[in-house]
Amino acid sequence: NAGVTQTPKFQVLKTGQSMTLQCAQDMNHNSMYWYRQDPGMGLRLIYYSASEGTTDKGEVPNGYNVSRLNKREFSLRLESAAPSQTSVYFCASSEGGFGAVSGNTIYFGEGSWLTVV
Amino acid sequence: QKEVEQNSGPLSVPEGAIASLNCTYSDRGSQSFFWYRQYSGKSPELIMSIYSNGDKEDGRFTAQLNKASQYVSLLIRDSQPSDSATYLCVSGGYNKLIFGAGTRLAVHP
Repeated sequence: NAGVTQTPKFQVLKTGQSMTLQCAQDMNHNSMYWYRQDPGMGLRLIYYSASEGTTDKGEVPNGYNVSRLNKREFSLRLESAAPSQTSVYFCASSEGGFGAVSGNTIYFGEGSWLTVV
Repeated sequence: QKEVEQNSGPLSVPEGAIASLNCTYSDRGSQSFFWYRQYSGKSPELIMSIYSNGDKEDGRFTAQLNKASQYVSLLIRDSQPSDSATYLCVSGGYNKLIFGAGTRLAVHP
């Protein structure tokens, strides 16, 4: 059982280049997320998709776009990469929201290390 | 002010001791709370979830929640070197998770 799979694992970009991070989950989850993790900052939500066909901005959406291609796949695109986007990116998924009665938890992919020079 | 505050550490404890990790949160509407463990270079993995006031035990781990004080803690009994990692405190609402920056725990033999 693969869980959440994201690619690529490592990428070096030049400033101004574009790229897409791919993510797929095989748990039939409704919700998918993209986070970035920077030293001392914790995980910050970039975009999320509560269900197929919907996407919403998180805390730090500027410079990114997303596509929920189908229930399994959620991609993150950097249109014009900047050094400030150097980070570790995690895709994640959950059955749904995190209310007290949901019992839901979030599952992470292995991360994508992106360096913009 | 961060929405979930944790001491960054490192918290250093000897093998076999109890490690106590704490966090506070600012959103009184938060309904669910989680502790994730993250080894260096790896993704976070869920250790405990807690939804109501009081204690919840799972093996060597005990999570504690006090909603009146907006306080969450994680106790690790009989700490092992393999417990050395960063521990992330997370608060959750309807469709939102807020992560703390994490506390680095170092268990020395």
